Amino acid sequence: GNSVTQMEGPVTLSEEAFLTINCTYTATGYPSLFWYVQYPGEGLQLLLKATKADDKGSNKGFEATYRKETTSFHLEKGSVQVSDSAVYFCALSGVDDYKLSFGAGTTVTVRA
Amino acid sequence: DAGVTQSPTHLIKTRGQQVTLRCSPKSGHDTVSWYQQALGQGPQFIFQYYEEEERQRGNFPDRFSGHQFPNYSSELNVNALLLGDSALYLCASSLGQVINYGYTFGSGTRLTVV
Repeated sequence: GNSVTQMEGPVTLSEEAFLTINCTYTATGYPSLFWYVQYPGEGLQLLLKATKADDKGSNKGFEATYRKETTSFHLEKGSVQVSDSAVYFCALSGVDDYKLSFGAGTTVTVRA
Repeated sequence: DAGVTQSPTHLIKTRGQQVTLRCSPKSGHDTVSWYQQALGQGPQFIFQYYEEEERQRGNFPDRFSGHQFPNYSSELNVNALLLGDSALYLCASSLGQVINYGYTFGSGTRLTVV
């Protein structure tokens, strides 16, 4: 079945540091890939998505590129802020699949 | 424009009891999905409702059931509660397949079973 494996946390960074969260997936065909973010006490918000190979999703300074050859969708941000502190989830939706399969989440804490 | 609304926000139940959680989807959305998020884990898919029918179901026992109403709102029912059912229950709405538009999630209902 479809599954997502993402980098375990927690991750602690200083403000303006570079952030990378690794995400790899297992799926048949060409799934759609997503990054969601969950701030404390809130539900999940879609951060970015990519629906085909080599697509780059981007939003709020975050980027991720759909790499079919390495089955990866790593999240990056060049300069993090304290407000980026949250839990980040990588997820996929398989072909003809109505659900999202999530990774376990990575907790990111950015210190001033 | 209201997003996804869930009620109640918190709930404490005793083992063996039954619980009903409610969800109103984002305006314009016709599909409702439910997820269970245990502490420190990613959300797990329970089921999805579309046109008042269960369209897809995850690996959850029959104690978990749901319903979708003509106005697209939805309920999640859990019978014979177990301690392990303690979790954040998330409702997500969408229009059509998730690959096209992505979900909009509610803030969740925190269920504690004691």
